[in-house]
Amino acid sequence: DAKTTQPPSMDCAEGRAANLPCNHSTISGNEYVYWYRQIHSQGPQYIIHGLKNNETNEMASLIITEDRKSSTLILPHATLRDTAVYYCIAGYSFGNEKLTFGTGTRLTIIP
Amino acid sequence: DTGVSQNPRHKITKRGQNVTFRCDPISEHNRLYWYRQTLGQGPEFLTYFQNEAQLEKSRLLSDRFSAERPKGSFSTLEIQRTEQGDSAMYLCASSLLWTGEHEKLFFGSGTQLSVL
Repeated sequence: DAKTTQPPSMDCAEGRAANLPCNHSTISGNEYVYWYRQIHSQGPQYIIHGLKNNETNEMASLIITEDRKSSTLILPHATLRDTAVYYCIAGYSFGNEKLTFGTGTRLTIIP
Repeated sequence: DTGVSQNPRHKITKRGQNVTFRCDPISEHNRLYWYRQTLGQGPEFLTYFQNEAQLEKSRLLSDRFSAERPKGSFSTLEIQRTEQGDSAMYLCASSLLWTGEHEKLFFGSGTQLSVL
């Protein structure tokens, strides 16, 4: 898996959009970007993944730069329940590959 | 769908004792993973099963660790002769893998092991 770099922590006001950056400058052409989050005392939870196009689901949006060296996870209207550690992973998640988690970004939503 | 269940949630043991954890995956999920997580770090892959076959073990997994998944359902992770360095959260995840599809891992809440 390609190495990713994320800020260790971020704050966001409740109701605002939370934008979480991730650098993956060594990502290879067929590696995907995955995002998981881990709320305190729980296991990680899948959020979204993408290859080169922007993706959106009911939880979040994923914006990947054209050169694919970085991406941003967007939580459009952050709530207190979005306080968690967010992991950005570059790699594969099918076949016999396993995802490698880094240390993530601790996002705190401020009331 | 009741999610991935792990038992016990907490385990305190003395150094040198053996411990066993259980994971019940989401029914019909064909893959089951074990991860270990220490404070401030992301989960580290330990091993995984496809049905009842253990397909890979990490180099992190010493000979004192053994995992089983009899009949491709629940799984157990045993640690023999525990050491203080084994203190961590042990996470189980399951997934339903279709050929060519992206795997989504569903994690349990983990078993927190403290070795005194």
